[in-house]
Amino acid sequence: AQSVTQLGSHVSVSEGALVLLRCNYSSSVPPYLFWYVQYPNQGLQLLLKYTTGATLVKGINGFEAEFKKSETSFHLTKPSAHMSDAAEYFCAVRKGGATNKLIFGTGTLLAVQP
Amino acid sequence: GAGVSQTPSNKVTEKGKYVELRCDPISGHTALYWYRQSLGQGPEFLIYFQGTGAADDSGLPNDRFFAVRPEGSVSTLKIQRTERGDSAVYLCASSLGGRDTGELFFGEGSRLTVL
Repeated sequence: AQSVTQLGSHVSVSEGALVLLRCNYSSSVPPYLFWYVQYPNQGLQLLLKYTTGATLVKGINGFEAEFKKSETSFHLTKPSAHMSDAAEYFCAVRKGGATNKLIFGTGTLLAVQP
Repeated sequence: GAGVSQTPSNKVTEKGKYVELRCDPISGHTALYWYRQSLGQGPEFLIYFQGTGAADDSGLPNDRFFAVRPEGSVSTLKIQRTERGDSAVYLCASSLGGRDTGELFFGEGSRLTVL
């Protein structure tokens, strides 16, 4: 069965520092992987997705993630954090088959310190 | 509107009452999903519609929860005999359906509080 594990429920970085949010997945089939961001009192917004092809995917707001099959990982990175990046980030894997439902991780709350 | 619309945005009710939450998906999206998000947790799948039919309702926690999508557009999530443990944010999402890449577009959610 598909699942995702996000290591670190809370991550704090300084403004301008590297952001690294970890996600490992479990999937019996080639996965489709997603990162969503949720700002306070807002809905989830897609940051980026991996389906097939290039393993390094770029998303909005300067974020990118690399699909590493050998490590079953899809970590999210950004070279330089901005105060506006403070939010909750969710990794998700698509279940596939007859349903396209996404299975979400428990989320990582990113704090950015001035 | 252009996005997924959910009403009400906030609902406070008493234990034992009946609640309906509405979702209006993006026009043209045939797939519709309901998720539940409790504090400190990721969204938890409840039910998936492809058109008018529930293609996967494996996430509904018990028979107090029911959802409909009679015309293949707007959906209503219905909760009977609400319990305090039902308090959560209920999220609706839609997608193109079919063989799309699975990107879901989410509404802002309906926050349900059961007193």
